Amino acid sequence: GAGVSQSPSNKVTEKGKDVELRCDPISGHTALYWYRQRLGQGLEFLIYFQGNSAPDKSGLPSDRFSAERTGESVSTLTIQRTQQEDSAVYLCASSLRQGAMRGYTFGSGTRLTVV
Amino acid sequence: DQQVKQNSPSLSVQEGRISILNCDYTNSMFDYFLWYKKYPAEGPTFLISISSIKDKNEDGRFTVFLNKSAKHLSLHIVPSQPGDSAVYFCAAPGPDARLIQGAQKLVFGQGTRLTINP
Repeated sequence: GAGVSQSPSNKVTEKGKDVELRCDPISGHTALYWYRQRLGQGLEFLIYFQGNSAPDKSGLPSDRFSAERTGESVSTLTIQRTQQEDSAVYLCASSLRQGAMRGYTFGSGTRLTVV
Repeated sequence: DQQVKQNSPSLSVQEGRISILNCDYTNSMFDYFLWYKKYPAEGPTFLISISSIKDKNEDGRFTVFLNKSAKHLSLHIVPSQPGDSAVYFCAAPGPDARLIQGAQKLVFGQGTRLTINP
């Protein structure tokens, strides 16, 4: 597609439930990143995938968080047993193979609210 | 440990004047820096970057200055326009970022909300 697509755009869930967030990167972009932005804070790195290399999961805040990516396409971020502190905008981005200094292209995000 | 800091949460500038957004960093080994712009309900968009071997990079109305001795970078917007009203983030490669085939994770500052007044 023309841009990075994320779904759903908004999600309200009850504490303790699992949620799955989806990201469709730009076609041809080999790198895919997940970030989140909690209210009043900056962007917090979660995980990124690059081609067939092992993903960098160093930003995942707990073992309740996991992410998968199928080849160089769709990625899903799963949060199990959601907590109120998980409420945030979850942003997905993708970039070209040699795109480090050209920056990422972000999607519009999924606003997650845990009640 | 905040590797990249934006100490001004907000800035208000009159249309036509210069906007200066500031960013400080702690890691002298950063290879490059980037600025992103974010409108409400949208994802951040890449604006401009600068390599650590340069001290200035210009793109139209946007210029980024890098002062390595002070570990400081700034984004200048001249002249400021109402459409520039947004949140601006500075970013740099993460402290333990691995460059994997051109991809690298970034750390972001907290952002500065710029408001351009007509």
